[in-house]
Amino acid sequence: KNQVEQSPQSLIILEGKNCTLQCNYTVSPFSNLRWYKQDTGRGPVSLTIMTFSENTKSNGRYTATLDADTKQSSLHITASQLSDSASYICVVRDYSGGGADGLTFGKGTHLIIQP
Amino acid sequence: DVKVTQSSRYLVKRTGEKVFLECVQDMDHENMFWYRQDPGLGLRLIYFSYDVKMKEKGDIPEGYSVSREKKERFSLILESASTNQTSMYLCASSLLGNEQFFGPGTRLTVL
Repeated sequence: KNQVEQSPQSLIILEGKNCTLQCNYTVSPFSNLRWYKQDTGRGPVSLTIMTFSENTKSNGRYTATLDADTKQSSLHITASQLSDSASYICVVRDYSGGGADGLTFGKGTHLIIQP
Repeated sequence: DVKVTQSSRYLVKRTGEKVFLECVQDMDHENMFWYRQDPGLGLRLIYFSYDVKMKEKGDIPEGYSVSREKKERFSLILESASTNQTSMYLCASSLLGNEQFFGPGTRLTVL
């Protein structure tokens, strides 16, 4: 069964500090991995997508990495801001061709930035 | 910009009531989805649809039904609401298996 595990479950850091969120997956055959940001009381919004051939991709202060061999991804946030407080959800797609877009969702990491 | 809208942000209903949650997308996407999101459990798929009048069960369809009479609209129906259906409900749409775009969510409380 496909699984996506995220760690930590929750994280509190001071404004201006960096942090790294982890995502480990056992999804096969792998198609792509997407990180979503979900603000409190809102729907998730895509931050970045990683395909098999990509190791690193940046979106402003967010940098995602992918190691397809070890089936791990990370999301690094640089110089955190109060607006980064949110849940970050890792979603992995498989090539099964099945319904529901072939997605497996992680349970998310809840990040709180303190002033 | 893709826009997915949901009919209500907050909803309070009583046990046994019939509840309709509406979702509309404006980008002509074939696929539409209903999820519920609970603390510690993440997003769980209730139902999805890949075409008008087509529907498929997700991981937790019990107690729910759906309707897709038009391509842009996907409705979630709770035939007889129960307290364990208190949750955040998220609608999403996608084009041929690409990025899913989510609506703002409906926080449903069943008393």
